[in-house]
Formats: sequence, C-alpha cells, structure tokens
Amino acid sequence: KAGVTQTPRYLIKTRGQQVTLSCSPISGHRSVSWYQQTPGQGLQFLFEYFSETQRNKGNFPGRFSGRQFSNSRSEMNVSTLELGDSALYLCASSLDRSEKLFFGSGTQLSVL
Amino acid sequence: QKEVEQNSGPLSVPEGAIASLNCTYSDRGSQSFFWYRQYSGKSPELIMSIYSNGDKEDGRFTAQLNKASQYVSLLIRDSQPSDSATYLCAVKRSGGSYIPTFGRGTSLIVHP
Repeated sequence: KAGVTQTPRYLIKTRGQQVTLSCSPISGHRSVSWYQQTPGQGLQFLFEYFSETQRNKGNFPGRFSGRQFSNSRSEMNVSTLELGDSALYLCASSLDRSEKLFFGSGTQLSVL
Repeated sequence: QKEVEQNSGPLSVPEGAIASLNCTYSDRGSQSFFWYRQYSGKSPELIMSIYSNGDKEDGRFTAQLNKASQYVSLLIRDSQPSDSATYLCAVKRSGGSYIPTFGRGTSLIVHP
C-alpha cells in the first residue's frame, strides 16, 4: 500500500509570492491534516479536511488555506509569503475517526 | 491552551541502557496518547499508542500512562544507536472531530 505522498519535496520562494503544496493520502484514508514544523515551535496544526470539508483549523493567519478534493487529495496554499513561513510542511492522513496519523515526507519550504 | 510538555534534551544514553522519555499534558479530557519517532530529516512515524492507565509493551518499547498525574512516558530497553531520533508525544481527546496536540519532542542520542 502506497504511503502518503507530498509534492514537491523542496521549494524556494521569495517574500510576497504564493505557494501551493500537494498531498495524496493513503488509499482509503479520508482525513488529511496539515502541520507546520519548525525547530522553535515544533509541530503546529494548520487544518484538517474530511470528505472535502474543513473539520478543524489551527491558529494560523488567513494567508494559509487548504482544500480537499473528492478523491481525498489535498492542497494547501500560502499567499504573500513571509520569511517566517520557512518550515517543513507535513501532511498526515488517517482513517475516519482513527487516531493514528500517517505522515508524508513533507515539503521543505524556504522563503528568501 | 491545551499543552503537551516534553524535555527537549538531548537525552544521551549508552548503548544497551534504558532510555526514559517523559511527557506531561494539561487537558484532563485527553483519552488517547501516542509516541512518534522522527529521524533527522524524516517525517514522524507512529511507534506506540496507549489509551488506558498502566503499561503497554511492544518489543523493546514500553509506554506508561498515568491519567491522574497527567503524564505519559516511553521506555526503550536495550537502546541502540539506531534509536537516536526525536520522540514526539501526542495527546488527543476521543472523537474524530478532535486533532492531536504534539509536544516539541525529546532528542535521544544513543552512543556506542
């Protein structure tokens, strides 16, 4: 069974640009969550989607948004990038109401 | 603010010793507890989950939970250099609408 796939693996952007990250969950998993990981803050929850609906949202500004498609694939978008957005962005999928998260390899975003 | 606290370390132990990793949490409604292992440059991987007070053993790993004292720990017996990683504690209320809260992780170094 294929794992969680995130693309791209690395991204370099400049301030003010926008970026879109993609996540394909494990087949059959309908819940997709996004996390931001930095050395100083650890894993910070961004949002969770289930059956194309945002079910939970973390404490991030509106520049961070996401969506989920009917095949459970998810994208997150960050607009007007800031230097502080440099981080590893992790996507995790899980079965409905399952409490075990399976993480993708992440997208390392560098904002210059 | 629901918090999960971990000593950032690094915790350094010799090969063959027992490594003890601790985690405390503030939300008394927490019902599910997880330990994730994250190797440097890799994504977190679930290694243990525990839901009831007491001990749960899986190979060289033992998770311990004490809900009254609000702490959960992970013991690694016969530590190996390959166990060197960051260990993340995650805590969650029951129900699919809740998302886990992660600690910042404890860095473990097992030296030969």
